Amino acid sequence: QVQLVQSGAEVKKPGASVKVSCKASGYTFTSYGISWVRQAPGQGLEWMGWISAYNGNTNYAQKLQGRVTMTTDTSTSTAYMELRSLRSDDTAVYYCALGLRFGVDAFDIWGQGTMVTVSS
Amino acid sequence: QSALTQPPSASGSPGQSVTISCTGTSSDVGGYNYVSWYQQHPGKAPKLMIYEVSKRPSGVPDRFSGSKSGNTASLTVSGLQAEDEADYYCSSYAGSNKFYVFGTGTKVTVL
Repeated sequence: QVQLVQSGAEVKKPGASVKVSCKASGYTFTSYGISWVRQAPGQGLEWMGWISAYNGNTNYAQKLQGRVTMTTDTSTSTAYMELRSLRSDDTAVYYCALGLRFGVDAFDIWGQGTMVTVSS
Repeated sequence: QSALTQPPSASGSPGQSVTISCTGTSSDVGGYNYVSWYQQHPGKAPKLMIYEVSKRPSGVPDRFSGSKSGNTASLTVSGLQAEDEADYYCSSYAGSNKFYVFGTGTKVTVL
């Protein structure tokens, strides 16, 4: 079945970088894009950006421009999200999400989430 | 990139109905028929409940329905059940520059 499996929890110091992976299976990876969504503790969902697994085109949320980079490795069907210059307010659960069956804008497949804690 | 506005909470007794609003602008909710609704239980990933304003994925009970009028979308849960107690988020496509925006979230309590 279709799955997105994310890497494990991370603890980082302020100013450091984190790279979260999202391994896809059960569908043709290069036919769809992957979005990244984060959720700070007790807070709502925040769309971070999107990458096409077909050609690597990206679109990032304005507030993260310059700090975030999304990439894919088609040989392993894996998407990556790197966030740099981490701050305490980047502490959140990070999800990868896929709009597979109902259009690119309807995220019907989600990864299990990766907790990233930024603390000195 | 402002979040869409939802009421923080809503509640109803089992069997009753509850409606959650999601207010945006003509650049997102009002401009496109790409509004989705997600259900999230504590510690779990969100689950798609409604897409393209009012369409329901297979497996989602028909107690869940969506609609839109102008810049405001709505999710109605009819015949509330205990398992419907969760957080609900709307989202909308917001054009080729902003892409997607989520709502602030609504906690639904079944009394």
